[in-house]
Amino acid sequence: AAGVIQSPRHLIKEKRETATLKCYPIPRHDTVYWYQQGPGQDPQFLISFYEKMQSDKGSIPDRFSAQQFSDYHSELNMSSLELGDSALYFCASSSRPPGQGIDEQFFGPGTRLTVL
Amino acid sequence: SQQGEEDPQALSIQEGENATMNCSYKTSINNLQWYRQNSGRGLVHLILIRSNEREKHSGRLRVTLDTSKKSSSLLITASRAADTASYFCATDGAYNTDKLIFGTGTRLQVFP
Repeated sequence: AAGVIQSPRHLIKEKRETATLKCYPIPRHDTVYWYQQGPGQDPQFLISFYEKMQSDKGSIPDRFSAQQFSDYHSELNMSSLELGDSALYFCASSSRPPGQGIDEQFFGPGTRLTVL
Repeated sequence: SQQGEEDPQALSIQEGENATMNCSYKTSINNLQWYRQNSGRGLVHLILIRSNEREKHSGRLRVTLDTSKKSSSLLITASRAADTASYFCATDGAYNTDKLIFGTGTRLQVFP
């Protein structure tokens, strides 16, 4: 069965550089979530999209932006990278629209971002 | 953590033993889920229990939910070395929000 695809799997950047992370949800899943997991930490919700519109927002820095495209894939853009941005970034998808109660979210393998 | 705490933070057992992990949360919920994460890898959904359920089983997994105490437990019976991973509970925080709010996780080590 198709799963959530994330690219790249690993990314190394310098401070103040920019990074773009991509997420391809499971086919027919039109809700996408982004989470950030720092070393030894639990995943923290960043932002979510449904039908190309932002549906919820968490503790996402202003330096980060995201969008969902017409094919439902999503991109997380990170600018002015800081050392503290080093983390695993997960994308998850769901077939349930927002506002109908949460259901199982299917997670991708994550992108490990290292900022030097 | 934004939502809850899990205990123990780390658990080491021998193969064949049972492992019990507990999760407490702060707000009302619609449901609670448990996820597993192998070191540095993605999160794998294990089981979902709704707020009107008290117990649920899936294979060697048994989950309980006590909404009056705002707590849940995950029991893995007859553990195997392959069960070694971190286990997180996650809630929806009620109000029909859709984001998952994770607990702090329990690192389980099963020795062969």
